[in-house]
Amino acid sequence: NAGVTQTPKFQVLKTGQSMTLQCAQDMNHEYMSWYRQDPGMGLRLIHYSVGAGITDQGEVPNGYNVSRSTTEDFPLRLLSAAPSQTSVYFCASSPLGGSEQFFGPGTRLTVL
Amino acid sequence: AQSVTQLGSHVSVSEGALVLLRCNYSSSVPPYLFWYVQYPNQGLQLLLKYTSAATLVKGINGFEAEFKKSETSFHLTKPSAHMSDAAEYFCAVRPTGNQFYFGTGTSLTVIP
Repeated sequence: NAGVTQTPKFQVLKTGQSMTLQCAQDMNHEYMSWYRQDPGMGLRLIHYSVGAGITDQGEVPNGYNVSRSTTEDFPLRLLSAAPSQTSVYFCASSPLGGSEQFFGPGTRLTVL
Repeated sequence: AQSVTQLGSHVSVSEGALVLLRCNYSSSVPPYLFWYVQYPNQGLQLLLKYTSAATLVKGINGFEAEFKKSETSFHLTKPSAHMSDAAEYFCAVRPTGNQFYFGTGTSLTVIP
């Protein structure tokens, strides 16, 4: 099992550019989520999904889109990057009602 | 609204001394509670979890935590700090459903 994988590990964007952060899991987990981590603010939920075709907003969804076409993949799209989106992004997964989340290694994004 | 409060964003202890990291939560129902550890430039790793079984929970690397419902607390302890314990520690709660709520983190420094 690879667990939760994320690509890329590092990314630098210019303001206004778009990109997709990839997340995949091979544990057949229904629940997947995206967080951003900023100093002093912990992890904040961006979007989550409880299964293929079902997504919902978290605490800080503005500027981000998600889709869930398969159980395995949950990409996060930045439509027009802004410096305020400079952060470390983590993807996580768990079984529905599961007692823990499994985290990917993170993507460090810098927007200039 | 659910919330998790970690008292002390930075904690320093001497090697061999007791580690105490504090976590209080607000939840209208008995929750699942977690401590995660994040080493520099890495993802989050589960240290331990409380899932309504024994109130004293033992985790990896000698850490343990006690669920105290009357105090709505879930403090993390380790009797003797080791240099390798230096990391960021996050408390999290899952009240019901699938969403997790994270505290803002406590950075632990171990002084030789």
